[in-house]
Amino acid sequence: GENVEQHPSTLSVQEGDSAVIKCTYSDSASNYFPWYKQELGKRPQLIIDIRSNVGEKKDQRIAVTLNKTAKHFSLHITETQPEDSAVYFCAASTPNSGYALNFGKGTSLLVTP
Amino acid sequence: GAVVSQHPSWVICKSGTSVKIECRSLDFQATTMFWYRQFPKQSLMLMATSNEGSKATYEQGVEKDKFLINHASLTLSTLTVTSAHPEDSSFYICSASVGRSTDTQYFGPGTRLTVL
Repeated sequence: GENVEQHPSTLSVQEGDSAVIKCTYSDSASNYFPWYKQELGKRPQLIIDIRSNVGEKKDQRIAVTLNKTAKHFSLHITETQPEDSAVYFCAASTPNSGYALNFGKGTSLLVTP
Repeated sequence: GAVVSQHPSWVICKSGTSVKIECRSLDFQATTMFWYRQFPKQSLMLMATSNEGSKATYEQGVEKDKFLINHASLTLSTLTVTSAHPEDSSFYICSASVGRSTDTQYFGPGTRLTVL
């Protein structure tokens, strides 16, 4: 089955700096790659996603890049703010599995003022 | 749009009892629903995929006789944890997608289960 690796597990940045989280996946059939932000005790919140026919996608301060050949995708957050502090999860899914999500282990991001 | 609710939001039960968790899509018809489990400070792990009117597909290591999933309508899926034990204490989260070939999932708010 699909295996998603995520790094780093923790990330601390100063307000205004950029944060980058990287994920790799194993199943070449994966074609949907969402990123979620989860605050303690709450549901995962979709912040951006990318599909395999696109190499990059941007939404204001958040961007995601996808390298299908290398099977890795990354989340980039620019101009970080304290409210960006949360746990971020990457995920991958394939049509063969009905798009069930395989999640990375998560990155705890702390943005200090 | 695309709102998913779960009930209850939290539940405490005694060891050996059964607990039912409901997952509803409020403003769309969910052909497929997924159940995930999340232990403290860990990631979400897929337990099972359920399609309306079909038996659920369970992930390896998830006991189908212990975690009963019913998806009888396009707006409701239920997860029943039978004979619950303290090790079943976890955050259970459902999600729903509009079609069987749709990649975007909408998550419920989760149910915190504590088994004493």
